[in-house]
Amino acid sequence: NAGVTQTPKFRVLKTGQSMTLLCAQDMNHEYMYWYRQDPGMGLRLIHYSVGEGTTAKGEVPDGYNVSRLKKQNFLLGLESAAPSQTSVYFCASSYFRAEAKETQYFGPGTRLLVL
Amino acid sequence: AQSVTQPDIHITVSEGASLELRCNYSYGATPYLFWYVQSPGQGLQLLLKYFSGDTLVQGIKGFEAEFKRSQSSFNLRKPSVHWSDAAEYFCAVGEGNYQLIWGAGTKLIIKP
Repeated sequence: NAGVTQTPKFRVLKTGQSMTLLCAQDMNHEYMYWYRQDPGMGLRLIHYSVGEGTTAKGEVPDGYNVSRLKKQNFLLGLESAAPSQTSVYFCASSYFRAEAKETQYFGPGTRLLVL
Repeated sequence: AQSVTQPDIHITVSEGASLELRCNYSYGATPYLFWYVQSPGQGLQLLLKYFSGDTLVQGIKGFEAEFKRSQSSFNLRKPSVHWSDAAEYFCAVGEGNYQLIWGAGTKLIIKP
């Protein structure tokens, strides 16, 4: 049981390049989330998904797109990377309902540097 | 607006000493309260959570937290820290079906 995994662990991009971050969970969770973590700030929600085929915007969605074609996978895309997107990205998942009381299970993170 | 404040960016504690990490929140009602820990190079792991009832909550790894409504606080404590407790600790607050609001984190450094 791997829990939540993220690919890649680290990536360097040039401004304007695109990339996709992959998140996979094997806990049969309905809800999945993408966060970014920046120094001196708490986690900020980028997008989330309440089930296969559905996504919604979080607090800081601009510059990112997401897809949830399969229940176990949640992809985060950067179409044209900018230096402001340099951050550590965390994926998380939770059980059936997106109530705030649900425990979230986190992946190990992806460190992205945009030059 | 709702907010979560962790006033200490860094805390240094000697191994074996007691620990208290502060978390204050601004929320309209009694929210759900969480403490997560992030070990170096790892994702976040839930330490404990409070929804209602007994205001003293026990968590994993010997941690506990106390909800004080009058002070809008949910401080994390441990009576005796171990070197393996060195990590970053995040307080988070939520309500209903809204998304969590996270504090900026407190980095715990353990002195041998």
